[in-house]
Amino acid sequence: EAQVTQNPRYLITVTGKKLTVTCSQNMNHEYMSWYRQDPGLGLRQIYYSMNVEVTDKGDVPEGYKVSRKEKRNFPLILESPSPNQTSLYFCASRQNRDAYYEQYFGPGTRLTVT
Amino acid sequence: GNSVTQMEGPVTLSEEAFLTINCTYTATGYPSLFWYVQYPGEGLQLLLKATKADDKGSNKGFEATYRKETTSFHLEKGSVQVSDSAVYFCALSPLGYSTLTFGKGTMLLVSP
Repeated sequence: EAQVTQNPRYLITVTGKKLTVTCSQNMNHEYMSWYRQDPGLGLRQIYYSMNVEVTDKGDVPEGYKVSRKEKRNFPLILESPSPNQTSLYFCASRQNRDAYYEQYFGPGTRLTVT
Repeated sequence: GNSVTQMEGPVTLSEEAFLTINCTYTATGYPSLFWYVQYPGEGLQLLLKATKADDKGSNKGFEATYRKETTSFHLEKGSVQVSDSAVYFCALSPLGYSTLTFGKGTMLLVSP
């Protein structure tokens, strides 16, 4: 089954404790992306990757890091989380950089930073 | 810059009612337009799309027509079901760009 998986699904942590949210896709997609979803603000892109070792900032990259060492994986790293990073995070992938292709989303990771 | 404006929700309807969710956009050039749907507890899924003026996207009884003159892409369904209760996102991607710009989403609640 074609899917995007994220782990963990739920995470409660404290300010300053480094964490990683993993994302993996099994569709051999070139393009992967991270979004955060906040009430009243909709989805905002954090980072994206056009292919292995190619990453770029989205609209709200501050406080986040990503890496793309393998085609299937695109982890999101918060090196020093702060309460304003409490949010619902989605990983997504699609065939290539052309947004015409359907974007597949993971189930989401709900992060709370206290 | 690029932006998408959707009507605020929630939109509350009874089963079998007619649905319209308004979406207007601002973009350079001629963007592709999309509707994505998010069911409770899940990620977004593509519902339909259109890539040029007067194109009509359709899927699962939902329709939207790309109106260049009014820069709109309103979502419609003739008869909603309880299972259509979800959050609906309008989105655009300008020609030649890789990023999707989403609206804030409109929640639809359908009661039996």
